[in-house]
Amino acid sequence: DAGVIQSPRHEVTEMGQEVTLRCKPISGHDYLFWYRQTMMRGLELLIYFNNNVPIDDSGMPEDRFSAKMPNASFSTLKIQPSEPRDSAVYFCASSPGTGESNEQFFGPGTRLTVL
Amino acid sequence: SQQGEEDPQALSIQEGENATMNCSYKTSINNLQWYRQNSGRGLVHLILIRSNEREKHSGRLRVTLDTSKKSSSLLITASRAADTASYFCATATGRRALTFGSGTRLQVQP
Repeated sequence: DAGVIQSPRHEVTEMGQEVTLRCKPISGHDYLFWYRQTMMRGLELLIYFNNNVPIDDSGMPEDRFSAKMPNASFSTLKIQPSEPRDSAVYFCASSPGTGESNEQFFGPGTRLTVL
Repeated sequence: SQQGEEDPQALSIQEGENATMNCSYKTSINNLQWYRQNSGRGLVHLILIRSNEREKHSGRLRVTLDTSKKSSSLLITASRAADTASYFCATATGRRALTFGSGTRLQVQP
């Protein structure tokens, strides 16, 4: 299994531009999570999906952020327009839907720099 | 503040020594998990301990859980340079999402 796949690995953009981050979860996992990690705020949960349906988006900072999961194997996190304070590492994680363990499997992250 | 808070924030030890990290949390939990993050990488799950368990072992890792004190500790025995990483505790409170602490940065000197 290739694990959780994220693209791009690095993104540098200018303020005001649209940014789209992509994630492919582990096949068969029913849960998908988007996190943001910064030195100041640590690891923050932005949104998570169950069977492609958004369950909790209370961590999404503002309307400039949106996330979709059109099918079980693909999710996007979009920032429009981007701002310098959005610079962070964005992680996607997935988790199986059955069993007691809710262990999460993380992707390698996308390092976003907004100039 | 976050559900899980690790202590210390940073720890530097010599290879071969034991490393102990602590995690405190605020509300009742179903389970508590520890993750490791190497620099520039994603988090990797290390071990899960359920709320009805008090101690769990996995290789050189030993985790304890004290639900009365709402705290957990992670012990890494006979540390190696490769153990250098950040370690996070994460709590599960019934919903599927986890709440991560701020992490402990461990540096193991060769």
